[in-house]
Parts: sequence; C-alpha cells; structure tokens
Amino acid sequence: AQRVTQPEKLLSVFKGAPVELKCNYSYSGSPELFWYVQYSRQRLQLLLRHISRESIKGFTADLNKGETSFHLKKPFAQEEDSAMYYCALPKRYQLIWGAGTKLIIKP
Amino acid sequence: GAGVSQTPSNKVTEKGKYVELRCDPISGHTALYWYRQSLGQGPEFLIYFQGTGAADDSGLPNDRFFAVRPEGSVSTLKIQRTERGDSAVYLCASSPSSAMGTGELFFGEGSRLTVL
Repeated sequence: AQRVTQPEKLLSVFKGAPVELKCNYSYSGSPELFWYVQYSRQRLQLLLRHISRESIKGFTADLNKGETSFHLKKPFAQEEDSAMYYCALPKRYQLIWGAGTKLIIKP
Repeated sequence: GAGVSQTPSNKVTEKGKYVELRCDPISGHTALYWYRQSLGQGPEFLIYFQGTGAADDSGLPNDRFFAVRPEGSVSTLKIQRTERGDSAVYLCASSPSSAMGTGELFFGEGSRLTVL
C-alpha cells in the first residue's frame, strides 16, 4: 500500500543551521512527491514538487528511489521557516499525506 | 474571491446533530476535494469532485457522510448523526483540473468541527 512516513513530529534548530526534514514513502513505480507547508494562521500551500527540481525559499528536495526518501533540505534556516511541513504522494485523484513535522527555528 | 472560502470556520455541535460545511472554490476550478485532518495527523482524503459529479468518494468513512456540488462550483459536506469521533478540521481544496500531475491543490482555511 502507498504510504508516506515523516518520522519526526518536531524538529527544532537554531537560525543559520542546516535543516533536513525527513520523508520516506512506499510506492511501486515512479512516484511524484510534494512538500506542502502551513505557516502559523495560514492555509496549507504547495512548497515544492520533485518533478520540477526547483528550489523554493532556499529549500530543495531530492528523490532517492534506492532509499525511498524525499527529504527536504535547507542549508541555512531562517526564523520565517518555522511552520508545519507535510510530505505528500499522489494516488489516483488524491494525495496521501505524512503526519507532518513541526519545524521550529530558534533565534 | 481570491482563494478557497470555507464556512463556518468553527462549528460546535452536539452528538447526534446534523452538520453542513460549505466550500466555495476558486472561480473556474473544476476539481474540488474534501479532506479531514485530525490533531497530529496529515489530511485524510474524503471525496473528489470533477465538475458536478463525485469522481472518487472512496474516502468517505461511512454513510453518515455525504457531499454535493450541484452546479459544479460550491460544495457542501453533510454529516448526519454526528459522533465525537467526527471532530476534526475539514479542509476543502480546489484545482484547475484533476491536479495530480502538478500536485498543486489550493486549500481553504478549514472548518473546525467539534462534537460534544
């Protein structure tokens, strides 16, 4: 069955430190994966998708099929990165979501 | 409006009551989704509309849950005989078409349902 796992419920790092939010998936085939973000008091929004191989707000994510991972990384965290981050995998018409990781950037 | 609008933002009801949650998608978006999010969890798919028809309702947990989109725009999620376990944030999202290729869903702010 398709599944998305985000092993960390909470990640706390200092401003300027590197950040890595983990996402592992189970899927037979070539997956497309997405990262969504929800800032405080804002709605859930798409951050980036692996297929476009883009960097958004300094974040990147690389699909590693061998490790079935799609970790989200940023080399230097900023306070405004504090938010909930969700990894998601399409299945037909829906997205399968991880439980989310709350990222706190300490000043 | 500029984005997906959901009403009410908060609803407190008693066990056994009937509840309706409304979603007004972005104008022109043909695809509309309902998700449910419980505390500490990611969103859980409920139903997907393409136009007026429910293309996938496999996520509705039981027959107490029903959703309509009669004119292909506004959608209403209806919950009969509410139970305490129905308490959650109900999220609506829309997209220009079936968006699974791009993965970009535009979400509303959610309706928080509390069943006492």
